Amino acid sequence: GQQVMQIPQYQHVQEGEDFTTYCNSSTTLSNIQWYKQRPGGHPVFLIQLVKSGEVKKQKRLTFQFGEAKKNSSLHITATQTTDVGTYFCAGPSNTGKLIFGQGTTLQVKP
Amino acid sequence: AAGVIQSPRHLIKEKRETATLKCYPIPRHDTVYWYQQGPGQDPQFLISFYEKMQSDKGSIPDRFSAQQFSDYHSELNMSSLELGDSALYFCASSARLGANVLTFGAGSRLTVL
Repeated sequence: GQQVMQIPQYQHVQEGEDFTTYCNSSTTLSNIQWYKQRPGGHPVFLIQLVKSGEVKKQKRLTFQFGEAKKNSSLHITATQTTDVGTYFCAGPSNTGKLIFGQGTTLQVKP
Repeated sequence: AAGVIQSPRHLIKEKRETATLKCYPIPRHDTVYWYQQGPGQDPQFLISFYEKMQSDKGSIPDRFSAQQFSDYHSELNMSSLELGDSALYFCASSARLGANVLTFGAGSRLTVL
């Protein structure tokens, strides 16, 4: 079945360092979404990418969608302690449900 | 703005008992999804409803059932609870099946003793 894989599983960085998480789908996606889940919280939508090769920025966060629409990345520049949490990518199946990657848990040391 | 409301937030049950979780989607959202998230895991899709009809089914045990009512709220019924059912259960809603982003509720934490 359709799978969404995400690496790394964990990342510990010093505050101010950059962070990147990578997402790969076993199938071509119509769109890819990114969610952030703070410890003890629920997934919160960050962004949706739709076009091949699309790049979107939200302040220090840069999201990319691959040309083949099968991979994506999230890059955070100069991490802050408020960036702590688990970042999930998710792609829709052909029946509409979202399939989540395993998530990358980011720890930021002040 | 109104969010997805889930109740109860916390639930403690014994093995073999029954539990019911409720979800009230964002007004005018016609699709509801249920996800199960174990500790350190990604959300696993259980079941979804579009316009009160089941639209998709994932790794939902036969002991679980769900439905969406005429007011669009949804309930997840879990029977013969097992220790392994202990998890966070999220409900999410979207405005259109398959195309829109999901808004998640705060989740219901089920602990089975």
